[in-house]
Amino acid sequence: GQNIDQPTEMTATEGAIVQINCTYQTSGFNGLFWYQQHAGEAPTFLSYNVLDGLEEKGRFSSFLSRSKGYSYLLLKELQMKDSASYLCAVLDSNYQLIWGAGTKLIIKP
Amino acid sequence: DAMVIQNPRYQVTQFGKPVTLSCSQTLNHNVMYWYQQKSSQAPKLLFHYYDKDFNNEADTPDNFQSRRPNTSFCFLDIRSPGLGDAAMYLCATSREGHSGAQPQHFGDGTRLSIL
Repeated sequence: GQNIDQPTEMTATEGAIVQINCTYQTSGFNGLFWYQQHAGEAPTFLSYNVLDGLEEKGRFSSFLSRSKGYSYLLLKELQMKDSASYLCAVLDSNYQLIWGAGTKLIIKP
Repeated sequence: DAMVIQNPRYQVTQFGKPVTLSCSQTLNHNVMYWYQQKSSQAPKLLFHYYDKDFNNEADTPDNFQSRRPNTSFCFLDIRSPGLGDAAMYLCATSREGHSGAQPQHFGDGTRLSIL
């Protein structure tokens, strides 16, 4: 079967750095997405990785290792508005998006 | 701004009473998706349209139907809603080619409550 694993919940302090991990087992791989979802709202696109390595976009960076089936999302200089769920999703060999259940990130002052 | 619009944001219906949720897009994307998402769970794909081609997920109940009359609009029909169908329903679009991998763009969702 296909599976995406993320921690259910994480807590971090405003101004700090947090890393949210995602591991996956899918039938094929055509890229990995990270989405942010605030409570009661729709997911919004953050990043896409298809090659190994780190992609940086402002305060957010995403890393991929295809051989390990592993990705992480790194959030720097945390702000209170970063409190949200972060969903990892993998595009499989049929270009179907397999979603993780999301990591709820709680930011404390 | 180009966007994905879902109406209504909140929908309340009675047990067993048919309900239709709507989605429109101005992105001119060729693929449209309907997801069901329950609290603290991953979005669950119900079906998607690749242009006019309808693709139903194997575990989507027969109670759920969809229509895409044109590129811009897509509807989700729930014929006889049960209490278990209370959820957020998300519409998404993407521009896909046979080798493409593009992000999906989501509407704000419709939160469906069943009385």
